[in-house]
Amino acid sequence: GENVGLHLPTLSVQEGDNSIINCAYSNSASDYFIWYKQESGKGPQFIIDIRSNMDKRQGQRVTVLLNKTVKHLSLQIAATQPGDSAVYFCAENAISGTYKYIFGTGTRLKVLA
Amino acid sequence: GAGVSQSPSNKVTEKGKDVELRCDPISGHTALYWYRQSLGQGLEFLIYFQGNSAPDKSGLPSDRFSAERTGGSVSTLTIQRTQQEDSAVYLCASSLDPGNSGNTIYFGEGSWLTVV
Repeated sequence: GENVGLHLPTLSVQEGDNSIINCAYSNSASDYFIWYKQESGKGPQFIIDIRSNMDKRQGQRVTVLLNKTVKHLSLQIAATQPGDSAVYFCAENAISGTYKYIFGTGTRLKVLA
Repeated sequence: GAGVSQSPSNKVTEKGKDVELRCDPISGHTALYWYRQSLGQGLEFLIYFQGNSAPDKSGLPSDRFSAERTGGSVSTLTIQRTQQEDSAVYLCASSLDPGNSGNTIYFGEGSWLTVV
C-alpha cells in the first residue's frame, strides 16, 4: 500500500536547498489551516498550523505563509533533507468551529542527493 | 495512547467478505473521524463522531458501510460484502472538541485495505 499519487504535482529539490510548496484554498471564510506530511505507506503527520489572524508562523525548519487576499498558503522548508521526501498537503477548516475540513490532494517533494 | 492507533495496518480480503477496521483515538479527544484515501486522491470524508454519536454520516459511500463508537473512545468501521472499489487506505483521526476553532486533527497510520 503506497500513496503512489500518479497525478500529483511534483517538486524536485536539491538536498540542502530550500523548498516552497504551495496550496490554494477554497473558502475565504476559513480561519484555520494545517500542513501535513505523508510519507509512503504512512498516515498524514501534522507539521505546522496557522490561524487566519496571522500571516506567518515558524517552526523548526518550516515556515507557513498565509495570504488571505488571494487565498494562498505556502510551506517553506529550509535546508531540505532526504527525510523530507513525502507528499505534503494542506487542510482548511472550512466552517469555523466545526469538524468540516477540506484537504488538498498534495504535492510530492523529491529531494535529490 | 500517545497517538491515534489503527488496526489492522494491512488487510487483504476476498470480494464479498466483511471487514472490520478499528481505531483507538488519542486519549481525551472527543471527536473522531474516518476518512478514505485512494491512489492519487485527496482525503474523502466518511463519518464524524462527537462522543458516541455520529452527527454526520454523509460521507459513507453506501449502506454497506457502517461505523460505531463506544465509551467515547474506540471506533469500528465495518464494510460488508466488500467490493474491489473499496480498496483504499482508511484513515482515522481525532481531535479535541471541534467547537473550538483551531483544533488540530491528528491521524493514525491507516488501515490499507485490498479487496481481491
